[in-house]
Amino acid sequence: QVQLVQSGAEVKKPGASVNISCKASGYTFTTYYIHWVRQVPGQGLEWVGIITPSVGSTTYSQKFHGRVTLTRDTSTSTVYMELSSLRYEDTAVYYCARELKATCYFDYWGQGTLVTVSS
Amino acid sequence: EIVLTQSPGTLSLSPGETATLSCRASQTVNSIFFAWYQQKPGQAPRLLIYSTSSRAAGIPDRFVGSGSGTDFTLTISRLEPADFAVYYCQQYGGSPVYTFGQGTKLEIK
Repeated sequence: QVQLVQSGAEVKKPGASVNISCKASGYTFTTYYIHWVRQVPGQGLEWVGIITPSVGSTTYSQKFHGRVTLTRDTSTSTVYMELSSLRYEDTAVYYCARELKATCYFDYWGQGTLVTVSS
Repeated sequence: EIVLTQSPGTLSLSPGETATLSCRASQTVNSIFFAWYQQKPGQAPRLLIYSTSSRAAGIPDRFVGSGSGTDFTLTISRLEPADFAVYYCQQYGGSPVYTFGQGTKLEIK
């Protein structure tokens, strides 16, 4: 069955970087895009960026441009999200989610990774 | 960037009733690229409806999506206890830019 399994919770200091992984299984990794969406506690969903695993191309939300980097390892079907220069307001649950190419909706989601930014 | 505004913010209904959730876009949305999600506390969102009116796998026909242009609706009939959750609309506006509404909380009255 399709699964997106994310790495565990992280606690980071302001200014630091965090790296979260999303391991895909149960489908052909290169057939789907992988997105990252974040949710500040008690708030709504916010799109962060997208990676095309087959070629590694990326696009980021303007809000995060310059601070976020998405990469992938096709040998392990894993996507990584690095967010740098962390601020208190980056405290959120970060989800990876799958999109069948050019359908523009997310049919499977990871379980979420809580990133807490605290001094 | 297209902004999605959901209403009401909170909807209080009883099991067995029908819920009508609205999502209004600031500009015309391509209905092919419009979706609805359900999120329960502590869980990831779950896809309910895609392309405005197509149900995702395993979603019962009590969930009906409709709309076009700037106005979209999710109707949930014969509410069951498991339906009480937060619902988000989502659209793709090119660039690429994916945006979500702020959510409607469906709570038990």
